[in-house]
Amino acid sequence: GQQLNQSPQSMFIQEGEDVSMNCTSSSIFNTWLWYKQDPGEGPVLLIALYKAGELTSNGRLTAQFGITRKDSFLNISASIPSDVGIYFCAGRLSNYKLTFGKGTLLTVNP
Amino acid sequence: DAMVIQNPRYQVTQFGKPVTLSCSQTLNHNVMYWYQQKSSQAPKLLFHYYDKDFNNEADTPDNFQSRRPNTSFCFLDIRSPGLGDAAMYLCATSREFAAASNQPQHFGDGTRLSIL
Repeated sequence: GQQLNQSPQSMFIQEGEDVSMNCTSSSIFNTWLWYKQDPGEGPVLLIALYKAGELTSNGRLTAQFGITRKDSFLNISASIPSDVGIYFCAGRLSNYKLTFGKGTLLTVNP
Repeated sequence: DAMVIQNPRYQVTQFGKPVTLSCSQTLNHNVMYWYQQKSSQAPKLLFHYYDKDFNNEADTPDNFQSRRPNTSFCFLDIRSPGLGDAAMYLCATSREFAAASNQPQHFGDGTRLSIL
């Protein structure tokens, strides 16, 4: 089956720094999604990507759908303490089920 | 306003005592999903309803059942909870139809289940 490799597993950064995380797959996806999950909460959709090469921003967040359709990255600029959480990538094909990465735990030191 | 609502947020049950978790949605989405998420892991799909059609994942234990009495509500029943079933249970919804088959899933805030 499809597997997603998400890296890094965790990051410790200073407030104000930029962050980058990515997901790679052994097979292609039609859609890439990025979610953030705070402790004790459900995942919240940050960015959805629908076309290869697509670059989409949401405030300080930018994500891209790789040209090969096998990868995606998420960048966070000028991090702030409330960016702390677990970031999950998820890919889907036309069968609408999601394949999740294992998550990136982000810690921001004020 | 919350669009996928899960109740309760925290549930404690005894080993072997049946428990039901509920999910409701105001999005009028036709697909509803139940995930199990253990600490520091990604959500794991248990099953989903596409309209009224129930779809079980191959590795979901028989101990887990689901009901969807109408579009808005979906229940997760755990018939005989074991210690290994302690986890966060997430409900999600999406709108799927032929012309737009790539819609994202929207999650509720989850129910954290503890087993005594």
